[in-house]
Amino acid sequence: AAGVIQSPRHLIKEKRETATLKCYPIPRHDTVYWYQQGPGQDPQFLISFYEKMQSDKGSIPDRFSAQQFSDYHSELNMSSLELGDSALYFCASSLVLAGEETQYFGPGTRLLVL
Amino acid sequence: AQSVAQPEDQVNVAEGNPVTVKCTYSVSGNPYLFWYVQYPNRGLQFLLKYITGDNLVKGSYGFEAEFNKSQTSFHLKKPSALVSDSALYFCAVRDPDTGRRALTFGSGTRLQVQP
Repeated sequence: AAGVIQSPRHLIKEKRETATLKCYPIPRHDTVYWYQQGPGQDPQFLISFYEKMQSDKGSIPDRFSAQQFSDYHSELNMSSLELGDSALYFCASSLVLAGEETQYFGPGTRLLVL
Repeated sequence: AQSVAQPEDQVNVAEGNPVTVKCTYSVSGNPYLFWYVQYPNRGLQFLLKYITGDNLVKGSYGFEAEFNKSQTSFHLKKPSALVSDSALYFCAVRDPDTGRRALTFGSGTRLQVQP
């Protein structure tokens, strides 16, 4: 079965640089979620989109923005990167319209900020 | 606000023995509860969920969990652990009454199964 695809899998950036993370949800899923997992931490919700509209917002810094495109893929844009942004970034998708509660996670993008 | 507690950082068990990974939650209404497993350098894999109905939920890889409303718990169990079950396990909760779909995760419990 198709899973959530994230790219790149690994990313190394310098402080103050920008990064773009991409997420391709499971086909026909209508909702995308972004989570951040710091070293030794539990995943923290950043932001979600339902049918290309922002549906919820968590602890996402103002330096970050995200959007969902017409093909349902999503991008997380991160600017003015800080050392503390080094983390594993997960994308998840679900089919909310069908009442499906399960969020299926991608393999994550590991971001290292030097 | 919704929250999850996993009181054990690590659980050690010998292969073939039963294992329990504990989870307690706090929500204002009826919870939606989930267990995920994370292997090294891998994403979160869904194991099982409780939404409504039977309090005993069966999931992937022989795992099951029991929802106990009076104790606000959702402990993960397996009758006979395998070495390959060694991984990081996360309990997560969502409060449907809030209208928000974001999951709140516990701090994770590392399961170590010895041969």
